[in-house]
Amino acid sequence: GIQVEQSPPDLILQEGANSTLRCNFSDSVNNLQWFHQNPWGQLINLFYIPSGTKQNGRLSATTVATERYSLLYISSSQTTDSGVYFCAFTYSNYQLIWGAGTKLIIKP
Amino acid sequence: DGGITQSPKYLFRKEGQNVTLSCEQNLNHDAMYWYRQDPGQGLRLIYYSQIVNDFQKGDIAEGYSVSREKKESFPLTVTSAQKNPTAFYLCASSTDPYGYTFGSGTRLTVV
Repeated sequence: GIQVEQSPPDLILQEGANSTLRCNFSDSVNNLQWFHQNPWGQLINLFYIPSGTKQNGRLSATTVATERYSLLYISSSQTTDSGVYFCAFTYSNYQLIWGAGTKLIIKP
Repeated sequence: DGGITQSPKYLFRKEGQNVTLSCEQNLNHDAMYWYRQDPGQGLRLIYYSQIVNDFQKGDIAEGYSVSREKKESFPLTVTSAQKNPTAFYLCASSTDPYGYTFGSGTRLTVV
């Protein structure tokens, strides 16, 4: 099956720093999404980004489908950005295949 | 406000006991899902349902059962056949492959 790899697995930054999270996939995928899970477990959808670039405030995402990767950029990090960031893509029948996540800790 | 409600937030199960996790949504979404998350891991699909009275097994369905008698409700039963049920369980719903909404989760612990 298609494999999804996220890097780095862990990232610790000071507040105000910028970061780049990467998601590699082993084959062509559709409907790539980025999610954030806060320290209490709540998951929210950040971006639906099958290709191209999208921005939402301090966050932006870029997917280069032909090269099988997606990047999530976080600028001017805040402590509330801490948590785990997952990429996932849609398999058949709405099923999502998930990466293992990048755990981000923002220190004040 | 529309959303997904999971209950209880914390659940303790004794060995050999069946327990049921509740998931209710008022988003009018057709599709609903149950995921399991182990510490430091991504999500794994247990069951999903795209329509009332129909559901499909995911990757790790053994030891679990579900029902979908109403559009709004998708309860998950963790049976005694599930040998390692301690985990964080997340329910989700969607109206298309891109618009997922998740509940706040249930932490299940075997005591």
